[in-house]
Amino acid sequence: EIVLTQSPVTLSLSPGERATLSCRASQSVSTYLAWYQQKPGQAPRLLIYDASNRATGIPARFSGSGSGTDFILTISSLEPEDFAVYYCQQRNNWPPTFGQGTKLEIK
Amino acid sequence: EVQLVESGGGLVQPGGSLRLSCAASRFSFRSYDISWVRQAPGKGLEWVSGISGGGGTTYYVDSVKGRFTVSRDNSLNTVYLQMNSLRAEDTAIYYCAKGQYSVYGPFDDWGQGTLVTVSS
Repeated sequence: EIVLTQSPVTLSLSPGERATLSCRASQSVSTYLAWYQQKPGQAPRLLIYDASNRATGIPARFSGSGSGTDFILTISSLEPEDFAVYYCQQRNNWPPTFGQGTKLEIK
Repeated sequence: EVQLVESGGGLVQPGGSLRLSCAASRFSFRSYDISWVRQAPGKGLEWVSGISGGGGTTYYVDSVKGRFTVSRDNSLNTVYLQMNSLRAEDTAIYYCAKGQYSVYGPFDDWGQGTLVTVSS
């Protein structure tokens, strides 16, 4: 099973700042890596798929990069609604697995 | 807009059973694989099970193999998760999710979830 390790566990930033979230895989997942946002009491929402493709309706301030074992989710300028938990997920190997999450909180 | 609505959660004793349902609408249901993803209270996401669009292929994480069974009725646009021999560690919110490409993901639409609590 591929283990995805996200860092940092918690990220404290202010609105308007740039956020950089990391996801590292225990072995290569090629570019089959997705990012999700989850707010309290809500289901996850797909943000980025296949490492760098924005899902439908996702604002341009969200971008993804990486391949192999190292991936980055960047939020260029934080809006108040972006403070949430973010998960990465790989679909290259069985079973599909998620990272443990990064909580993005308001500083 | 795609809609996925889960139901069937509740409180059950250890060793008991529950059947979850996921009713889908507003997309070509039989064309998409559907997965179940769970989230224990205060924890992260865990993929549990999935089923191909035609229903002929099913998938399970090792921890539920032999206890859970996924099925679908494409005439009713509904996916089911039969959960037997439930354990305390199965306590979680269970989401159904539509696979954009496969049961592996990515998951581009999710239901609101249904809570399963296994406790005596």
